[in-house]
Amino acid sequence: DAGVTQSPTHLIKTRGQQVTLRCSPKSGHDTVSWYQQALGQGPQFIFQYYEEEERQRGNFPDRFSGHQFPNYSSELNVNALLLGDSALYLCASSDVGGGAYEQYFGPGTRLTVT
Amino acid sequence: QQPVQSPQAVILREGEDAVINCSSSKALYSVHWYRQKHGEAPVFLMILLKGGEQKGHDKISASFNEKKQQSSLYLTASQLSYSGTYFCTSGGSNYKLTFGKGTLLTVNP
Repeated sequence: DAGVTQSPTHLIKTRGQQVTLRCSPKSGHDTVSWYQQALGQGPQFIFQYYEEEERQRGNFPDRFSGHQFPNYSSELNVNALLLGDSALYLCASSDVGGGAYEQYFGPGTRLTVT
Repeated sequence: QQPVQSPQAVILREGEDAVINCSSSKALYSVHWYRQKHGEAPVFLMILLKGGEQKGHDKISASFNEKKQQSSLYLTASQLSYSGTYFCTSGGSNYKLTFGKGTLLTVNP
């Protein structure tokens, strides 16, 4: 049973560029959440997608947007990259439709903005 | 509001016990515990949904006092593999998890 997968593993971008990160949830899961984790900090909630809609959003600017596809996979897009966007981006999936709230994390995408 | 964890760091010898505490100034509807090893993703340990609920697997257990808005994680007879940063999260709506700053646990031989 495949767990949560994310791509790419690492990414280096320049300030002002745009980036797209991808996530495939664990089999049987219908909900995807995205988190940003800066070095030495706990993950910070960006937003969550369920039934292809953004259900809840954390304190992140509109430069951060996302999408969920009919197969439950998800993308995170960040526009106009800033140096402060450098972080580990984690995707977590859960089976909310099935009443299970525990979230399982993928390995993350390490984004470096130069 | 971010839950507050204590201690911030703890160093143990293999076989010793530890307790990590988590408290929130806002009502806790659920508490999730995760462990993250350096350079890896957080790994789900357990979720407590009801006040008074206690759970455990292996030698790691947790309790949840809903009235006091507190949870504690108990690690018994620690193993080297227990090393990592432990996070509690407040799941106010069960949708958005707010992570604490974490407790760095180091288990030495």
